[in-house]
Amino acid sequence: GDSVTQMEGPVTLSEEAFLTINCTYTATGYPSLFWYVQYPGEGLQLLLKATKADDKGSNKGFEATYRKETTSFHLEKGSVQVSDSAVYFCALASGGATNKLIFGTGTLLAVQP
Amino acid sequence: GAVVSQHPSWVICKSGTSVKIECRSLDFQATTMFWYRQFPKQSLMLMATSNEGSKATYEQGVEKDKFLINHASLTLSTLTVTSAHPEDSSFYICSARLQGNSPLHFGNGTRLTVT
Repeated sequence: GDSVTQMEGPVTLSEEAFLTINCTYTATGYPSLFWYVQYPGEGLQLLLKATKADDKGSNKGFEATYRKETTSFHLEKGSVQVSDSAVYFCALASGGATNKLIFGTGTLLAVQP
Repeated sequence: GAVVSQHPSWVICKSGTSVKIECRSLDFQATTMFWYRQFPKQSLMLMATSNEGSKATYEQGVEKDKFLINHASLTLSTLTVTSAHPEDSSFYICSARLQGNSPLHFGNGTRLTVT
């Protein structure tokens, strides 16, 4: 079945460092891909998405490109801030009538001042 | 923006009792709601898909008689964990959307501890 694999955390970075969180997927067909973020004490929020190959999703300085050839959707940010500390989830939606989301395990990012 | 409220945020119950968790869409009508379960250091596992006015669709391996889902209105879905056991202790999260390809909005989750 469809699945998402993302790098284990925690990822600890200093402020202004470059961030990469790897995500790869397995799916039949052409899924949509997402990154969700969960700040401490809050629910999941959509960070960015891409719906087809070579699309780049971006938001709040974060970017991810849908790479069909490598089945990847790595999350990047050029300069992280303390306020970016959160758990990041990669997910795919296989479409269809229910269009349900399948999540990766989540990666905890801790940014130190 | 759209808000999904989940209640309670945490609950402790004794083995053998039942616990009900509510998921409400506050400013939109949710035709579909999803219930997830999250174990420590693991991904969110989809438990079931709930459509208003119809029976929930459960994922493989999820006991429908243990995890009762009711989606009686366009703004409310409930998950009842029946005859709870310690292994049911987990973090339960609901999400809701207006229609087919609308964005999903998540509740803040409910931490269930069964003693």
